[in-house]
Amino acid sequence: AQSVAQPEDQVNVAEGNPLTVKCTYSVSGNPYLFWYVQYPNRGLQFLLKYITGDNLVKGSYGFEAEFNKSQTSFHLKKPSALVSDSALYFCAVRVGSSGNTPLVFGKGTRLSVIA
Amino acid sequence: NAGVTQTPKFQVLKTGQSMTLQCAQDMNHEYMSWYRQDPGMGLRLIHYSVGAGITDQGEVPNGYNVSRSTTEDFPLRLLSAAPSQTSVYFCASSRESRTSGGPQYFGPGTRLTVT
Repeated sequence: AQSVAQPEDQVNVAEGNPLTVKCTYSVSGNPYLFWYVQYPNRGLQFLLKYITGDNLVKGSYGFEAEFNKSQTSFHLKKPSALVSDSALYFCAVRVGSSGNTPLVFGKGTRLSVIA
Repeated sequence: NAGVTQTPKFQVLKTGQSMTLQCAQDMNHEYMSWYRQDPGMGLRLIHYSVGAGITDQGEVPNGYNVSRSTTEDFPLRLLSAAPSQTSVYFCASSRESRTSGGPQYFGPGTRLTVT
């Protein structure tokens, strides 16, 4: 079975500082990894994904994530946080190369960027 | 494109009532799914469909039915509402393929309260 863990319920960071939101995964097979963001009272929006290739993936709004196979991690990062980045962030995984297997989400990490 | 639309936005039901949450997408996506979002639980998959006429159960299917008669529509039926089904429900769609791992597009959600 596939699973995702987001070990932090809440991350606080000062505006202008770098941010990291952690994610680890477990799948039997090659992982397809995703990050989504949810603003208040909205649906989830896709940020970035890792399928194959370069371990550093760049996405929307200046976010990036690094795939680390040995540590089974896919941490979300941004060099300089903005107050507008404050939101709920979800990591998700599915097994690659297996057609239409469903996406499994982590429980989410609330990011608060303080001015 | 309207993307993924959901109706209604809000609904209050009494215990034992039934209702259908509507979901439609105009992107010709094969894959559609229903999630519920509860505080501290992240998103949990209820049912999903890999194409018209094909549905399957997710993590928390009990008390819900789905059907997929067309590519565009994927309604979720609550057979006999219970207070435990109070949640925010999200519908999502994606163009899945074995190689691309396309991201999911989410609707705005339906906030359901069962009293």
